[in-house]
Amino acid sequence: DAGVIQSPRHEVTEMGQEVTLRCKPISGHNSLFWYRQTMMRGLELLIYFNNNVPIDDSGMPEDRFSAKMPNASFSTLKIQPSEPRDSAVYFCASSLDKGGVPYGYTFGSGTRLTVV
Amino acid sequence: QKEVEQDPGPLSVPEGAIVSLNCTYSNSAFQYFMWYRQYSRKGPELLMYTYSSGNKEDGRFTAQVDKSSKYISLFIRDSQPSDSATYLCASIMFSGGYNKLIFGAGTRLAVHP
Repeated sequence: DAGVIQSPRHEVTEMGQEVTLRCKPISGHNSLFWYRQTMMRGLELLIYFNNNVPIDDSGMPEDRFSAKMPNASFSTLKIQPSEPRDSAVYFCASSLDKGGVPYGYTFGSGTRLTVV
Repeated sequence: QKEVEQDPGPLSVPEGAIVSLNCTYSNSAFQYFMWYRQYSRKGPELLMYTYSSGNKEDGRFTAQVDKSSKYISLFIRDSQPSDSATYLCASIMFSGGYNKLIFGAGTRLAVHP
């Protein structure tokens, strides 16, 4: 099992550019989560999907952020346009949700985003 | 007030010490509780997962939950330098028929030889 795979590992971009982060969840998992981690705010849940459907996006900071899950094995988090305050580590996590109980809640290694 | 409160530390202990890490939570709807360990520049990895009040032991690690006081603890016995990491507590809340994982701020632990 390769675990949750995120790409790229590092991204440096200029303010105003579009940034796309990618995630491949663990095969068989039906829930996927995007988190953002900063020193100031810790680990924040941005959005989560269940069976490819966005369930709760209340953590998405503003309209510049969008997330999609076109199929069970792929999700993207897009920031357009990016701003320096978006600099953070973005984590993707997946789990198998059976009857509301999450199993195998696993994080990827994260994407370190720097917006200059 | 954050839903899960955790002292960010840092906490520095000598090798071999017993470490106590603590969190409080505010929402009685929280059902499951987890402890994650995060090494520098890595993703969080699951250490312990508990549901009921009481203790759960796994090797040198013991997770304790007291639902009456909304208090979660992680004890590390015979701490090692390799235990140096950030430890995050988390609670699972069922929302709209689905679960949400809410994290504390994380406590940085340094175990020195």
